[in-house]
Amino acid sequence: QKEVEQDPGPLSVPEGAIVSLNCTYSNSAFQYFMWYRQYSRKGPELLMYTYSSGNKEDGRFTAQVDKSSKYISLFIRDSQPSDSATYLCAMSDAGGTSYGKLTFGQGTILTVHP
Amino acid sequence: EAQVTQNPRYLITVTGKKLTVTCSQNMNHEYMSWYRQDPGLGLRQIYYSMNVEVTDKGDVPEGYKVSRKEKRNFPLILESPSPNQTSLYFCASSLDRLLTEAFFGQGTRLTVV
Repeated sequence: QKEVEQDPGPLSVPEGAIVSLNCTYSNSAFQYFMWYRQYSRKGPELLMYTYSSGNKEDGRFTAQVDKSSKYISLFIRDSQPSDSATYLCAMSDAGGTSYGKLTFGQGTILTVHP
Repeated sequence: EAQVTQNPRYLITVTGKKLTVTCSQNMNHEYMSWYRQDPGLGLRQIYYSMNVEVTDKGDVPEGYKVSRKEKRNFPLILESPSPNQTSLYFCASSLDRLLTEAFFGQGTRLTVV
């Protein structure tokens, strides 16, 4: 079993839809939870990160972490065609057994069509 | 502009011919790492470095070497490439061990025939 599981999709939605992307994980030591966006032929770029449980909002993006369920989500409101990309969740335990390492999900391919 | 620069972007080579992929960052970051990205497997860490002359293995280090002689540079060396090392490679850097804001390079697509 992988440490981080992410549904690879692909996910196709109409413009303006609310998108929900999710990851589950097994390592309870993870404390920092990140979401990256990767456009085709580009490197991943950080969207936002969250520490421990709770919500964090940045514009149209909201990240949620539920440590009790080992489940994280990224919501995209009013999705745009420019949001079409692969979305990667990543986690770190900031100094524990995975010191120096980000553990990634497989990535979800999202397409927002006009 | 803050960036991580990898070279080359694309490389086709033959089995056994030593190659080096360079990585340089201009943000004075202590942490640097290498990942490979394969379909269905996501990003997997190869090696990482916490500072100059300090490196350690990630999840898939076999067949790779790294060095960190200067803070800004972290080259990835394939001494004897094999076809199973055909992949998309990313270098990343981060200010601190929390890894909350890692910057990635543009990637190097390597094909070993």
